[in-house]
Amino acid sequence: NAGVTQTPKFQVLKTGQSMTLQCAQDMNHEYMSWYRQDPGMGLRLIHYSVGAGITDQGEVPNGYNVSRSTTEDFPLRLLSAAPSQTSVYFCASSYGAPNSPLHFGNGTRLTVT
Amino acid sequence: GQQVMQIPQYQHVQEGEDFTTYCNSSTTLSNIQWYKQRPGGHPVFLIQLVKSGEVKKQKRLTFQFGEAKKNSSLHITATQTTDVGTYFCAGPSTNAGKSTFGDGTTLTVKP
Repeated sequence: NAGVTQTPKFQVLKTGQSMTLQCAQDMNHEYMSWYRQDPGMGLRLIHYSVGAGITDQGEVPNGYNVSRSTTEDFPLRLLSAAPSQTSVYFCASSYGAPNSPLHFGNGTRLTVT
Repeated sequence: GQQVMQIPQYQHVQEGEDFTTYCNSSTTLSNIQWYKQRPGGHPVFLIQLVKSGEVKKQKRLTFQFGEAKKNSSLHITATQTTDVGTYFCAGPSTNAGKSTFGDGTTLTVKP
């Protein structure tokens, strides 16, 4: 059981570039979500999904897109990277948030120059 | 919207001292969860409290859920260097499907 797997672990982008952060879980969890973590600001929800084909916005969705074509995968796309998107990104899944514990991936540290 | 406030933001203790972090919500919560994040790591689920006034213990860690289900606390007795990290509380948002996290309390322990 790998749990929640995020790739890549580190990424450096130039302003304006696009990329996709990958997230996969093997626990058959319906709920998946993306958070960003900035120093002193805790975890802020970007987008979430309650099941395949269903996505919704969190607190800070601007500049990010998501899709959920399968139960296992929940990629996060940065359309045109900006320095303000420099952060650590965590993917998390659960059996049925918000009343079930979240399982987090190891994170992706993104730097936009 | 719903807010979850955590205090203090930072706490520095000498090894062996006790530590407490507090979590306060602007709305009544159906449950509250606590997570620990080690430096450079990812948040790891510790516990979930559901009942009003509930108290749960995990070895040296004691978790409480307030009677009004709007506040919670985590108390660590006799801290050890392994307790170092950031402790987050999280509660369900008023919008279905979301959890709102507090900003966390970062604990450092001096040997």
